[in-house]
Amino acid sequence: TQTVSQSDAHVTVFEGDSVELRCNYSYGGSIYLSWYIQHHGRGLQFLLKYYSGNPVVQGVNGFEAEFSKSDSSFHLRKASVHWSDSAVYFCAASITMGYKLTFGTGTSLLVDP
Amino acid sequence: EAAVTQSPRNKVTVTGGNVTLSCRQTNSHNYMYWYRQDTGHGLRLIHYSYGAGNLQIGDVPDGYKATRTTQEDFFLLLELASPSQTSLYFCASSEAGANERLFFGHGTKLSVL
Repeated sequence: TQTVSQSDAHVTVFEGDSVELRCNYSYGGSIYLSWYIQHHGRGLQFLLKYYSGNPVVQGVNGFEAEFSKSDSSFHLRKASVHWSDSAVYFCAASITMGYKLTFGTGTSLLVDP
Repeated sequence: EAAVTQSPRNKVTVTGGNVTLSCRQTNSHNYMYWYRQDTGHGLRLIHYSYGAGNLQIGDVPDGYKATRTTQEDFFLLLELASPSQTSLYFCASSEAGANERLFFGHGTKLSVL
C-alpha cells in the first residue's frame, strides 16, 4: 500500500517570497501523485497531478510540482506567493488504476502580507 | 465545474444517536467517496462506491455504513454515534477512480456530544 508524508505541518512566508511544500511517498510501483488546496472552511480543490512524462508539472495559479523517483518526492513550489495562497495543502497518492486516493496530513501555508 | 453538494453543513447529536449525512453529485461521475478529516491525520477514506448499489470499504470503516442509492446520491450512516466520530466529513466524486481528479463538497461538521 502507498503512504504519503508531509513533514512540515506549518510554513510561514512573506508575500512575494518563493515557497516549497514537501511531499514524500513510499510505494514500489507506478504511482499517481497530486496536490490539493483547502481554503479555510472549504472543500479541497485540485491543483495538479503527475503520472508519467515530464517530471515538472504545472498547475493552477502559478503552482508547479516536481516528481523525483530517486528521492520518492513530489514537492510543490511557487515562485512568488500571494496572501490568497494561505491555505492547507495536501499531497495525495494512488497506485496505477487505483480506486483509493491516500492523503498526507497537510501543510498549512500562511502568507504574511 | 463538477458540483458536489453535502447536507447538512453542521450537525450535532448525542452519543448513541442516529445520523445520516447526504451527498449528491450532478456530473454523472462513477466514483463517490466519503472521507473524514481530523487534525494530525489529514483525510482518511471511510467508504467509496463505483456505481449505484455498489459499496467498497475504505481505510477507517468501523462504525460507519454507506449506501449509494443512485448515480448521484451517496449517504453515510452512523447508527450509534460516538464522540470519536466527531469530525469534518467530506464527500467527493470522480469520473473514473483515484487516478482522476476528485471534486469535493464543502464538508459536514459533525459533533457527537
